[in-house]
Amino acid sequence: NAGVMQNPRHLVRRRGQEARLRCSPMKGHSHVYWYRQLPEEGLKFMVYLQKENIIDESGMPKERFSAEFPKEGPSILRIQQVVRGDSAAYFCASSPGPSFEQYFGPGTRLTVT
Amino acid sequence: AQSVTQPDIHITVSEGASLELRCNYSYGATPYLFWYVQSPGQGLQLLLKYFSGDTLVQGIKGFEAEFKRSQSSFNLRKPSVHWSDAAEYFCAVGASYGNKLVFGAGTILRVKS
Repeated sequence: NAGVMQNPRHLVRRRGQEARLRCSPMKGHSHVYWYRQLPEEGLKFMVYLQKENIIDESGMPKERFSAEFPKEGPSILRIQQVVRGDSAAYFCASSPGPSFEQYFGPGTRLTVT
Repeated sequence: AQSVTQPDIHITVSEGASLELRCNYSYGATPYLFWYVQSPGQGLQLLLKYFSGDTLVQGIKGFEAEFKRSQSSFNLRKPSVHWSDAAEYFCAVGASYGNKLVFGAGTILRVKS
């Protein structure tokens, strides 16, 4: 059973460009969580989605960030007009139902130049 | 709001020595507690979890943790450290709403031979 897949693993964007991060949950998992890890910090929750629904987006910045988890296909975290402060590792996790027991992907490391 | 404190940013131990990584949490009810390990450039791997029951929890790779409600602690231990244990370790607590995890800032473990 494949684990949580994230792509790309590394992404370089110039200031002002858009970044799209993809997350394919484990087979049978319909709940997805996004976390951000800034340099030398722990992970911070961003958003929790179920297929076609945003359950909790209390950790999402108010502007430029959005997330979706469509009925078909991966979950997408989208960052518009990136700034240097967006440089971080973005981790996706999934679970079969609402649960604290979450399985993490390898992360996407975003660098904004 | 829930919070997790890992007082030690870095710890260095000799190979074969015992290890204890500290974790203190702030949470009103019985918490759901986790320890994750992150190797450089990798995602998070779950070492062990505590939901209820026996306060001494066994995990993978020879790790264990003890939940002490009176001290609001969930310290991670290993009797004999191996060089391959060098990594960053994160303690996390399940938040009361939304199934999100709240992480500590992490402890970087170095193992010297």
